[in-house]
Amino acid sequence: SAVISQKPSRDICQRGTSLTIQCQVDSQVTMMFWYRQQPGQSLTLIATANQGSEATYESGFVIDKFPISRPNLTFSTLTVSNLSPEDSSIYLCSVDKGGAWDGYTFGSGTRLTVV
Amino acid sequence: GDSVTQMEGPVTLSEEAFLTINCTYTATGYPSLFWYVQYPGEGLQLLLKATKADDKGSNKGFEATYRKETTSFHLEKGSVQVSDSAVYFCALSADNNDMRFGAGTRLTVKP
Repeated sequence: SAVISQKPSRDICQRGTSLTIQCQVDSQVTMMFWYRQQPGQSLTLIATANQGSEATYESGFVIDKFPISRPNLTFSTLTVSNLSPEDSSIYLCSVDKGGAWDGYTFGSGTRLTVV
Repeated sequence: GDSVTQMEGPVTLSEEAFLTINCTYTATGYPSLFWYVQYPGEGLQLLLKATKADDKGSNKGFEATYRKETTSFHLEKGSVQVSDSAVYFCALSADNNDMRFGAGTRLTVKP
């Protein structure tokens, strides 16, 4: 299975600023997924990122707030913009190396606290 | 739409106790079913999976059987250890692009 390096592992940010999260995969993957895990809750898919095309966002998530880049088949970034305390969550990237039938591989997550 | 309903926690057990975490699903097709585990401060790891009815997934002493007749995929372990303390997520995928997760169940095992 793929190995994902996600950083930063945690950050504390001021309101109104932005945080960019990076995910590097050790092999080429077609699709990368970004999830949000709010405190004590399950994972919610933010968007799906394909290389060479615009990311596909889920209902309730917009590109202006969560811009995503996918410059190549091993790397992606998620930016959380104009931060508010409600954005305090864990953000995870994942890939479906081998297809979803084999399960996704996840990064270790980024714990964001907005103050 | 497809969804997963998972037993609410938290669950607290003594070491060597038997564990069951219930998971039921709703899907229009024939999904694959998964259990993921999230240890404190870490991302999710795939624990086990089953891709068709009557399949049994197993790993690290954990087991779950894909029951189509009851639309269930309950997680079991005969003797839990302190190191099993984590959050467990049931999930399904009915196609290659959409993994849906349950709410998660926090397990604490006390020595």
